Amino acid sequence: AQSVTQPDIHITVSEGASLELRCNYSYGATPYLFWYVQSPGQGLQLLLKYFSGDTLVQGIKGFEAEFKRSQSSFNLRKPSVHWSDAAEYFCAVGFMEYGNKLVFGAGTILRVKS
Amino acid sequence: DTAVSQTPKYLVTQMGNDKSIKCEQNLGHDTMYWYKQDSKKFLKIMFSYNNKELIINETVPNRFSPKSPDKAHLNLHINSLELGDSAVYFCASSHLAGGLETQYFGPGTRLLVL
Repeated sequence: AQSVTQPDIHITVSEGASLELRCNYSYGATPYLFWYVQSPGQGLQLLLKYFSGDTLVQGIKGFEAEFKRSQSSFNLRKPSVHWSDAAEYFCAVGFMEYGNKLVFGAGTILRVKS
Repeated sequence: DTAVSQTPKYLVTQMGNDKSIKCEQNLGHDTMYWYKQDSKKFLKIMFSYNNKELIINETVPNRFSPKSPDKAHLNLHINSLELGDSAVYFCASSHLAGGLETQYFGPGTRLLVL
């Protein structure tokens, strides 16, 4: 069965520090990978996605993510975190053969210290 | 110019009542989805419609019935509401389900069953 794991429930970083949020998936074929962000009381906004090609993808707000097939991972990174990045981040895997279904990880809450 | 909109934003109701949540998208997408986010923030797909036809129906109680009057609308009707139905319900839309396309999410409807 398909699954997505985000091992860190909470992460706290200082403003200006670098950030890496982990995501691992379980799926037999090459998945389609997404990162979404959810601010408190808001909906989900797409940060970036990987469908094919270059394994390092750039997204909005200075985020990037790298697909590593050997590790079944799609970690999200940002070189310098801003206080406005405090939110919950969801990794998701898409499965075309299941009607474009998205399976989400449990989310990682990012707190930013000033 | 909201892309995916949901009404109402908040819904508080008693157990046993029947309620509906409406979703509309103005992106010209063919496919629409309903997701449930429980109290632990875990997001899970419930239904997906493509051109008014049901294509994904996860294991959801039959008290939940999606209705798609046209491809721009996907409403969720819930009969005999239970305490466990309390959650945030997100609508999303994307282009054709034949390929893996980015899903765009609405702001969510926060349902509280008392």
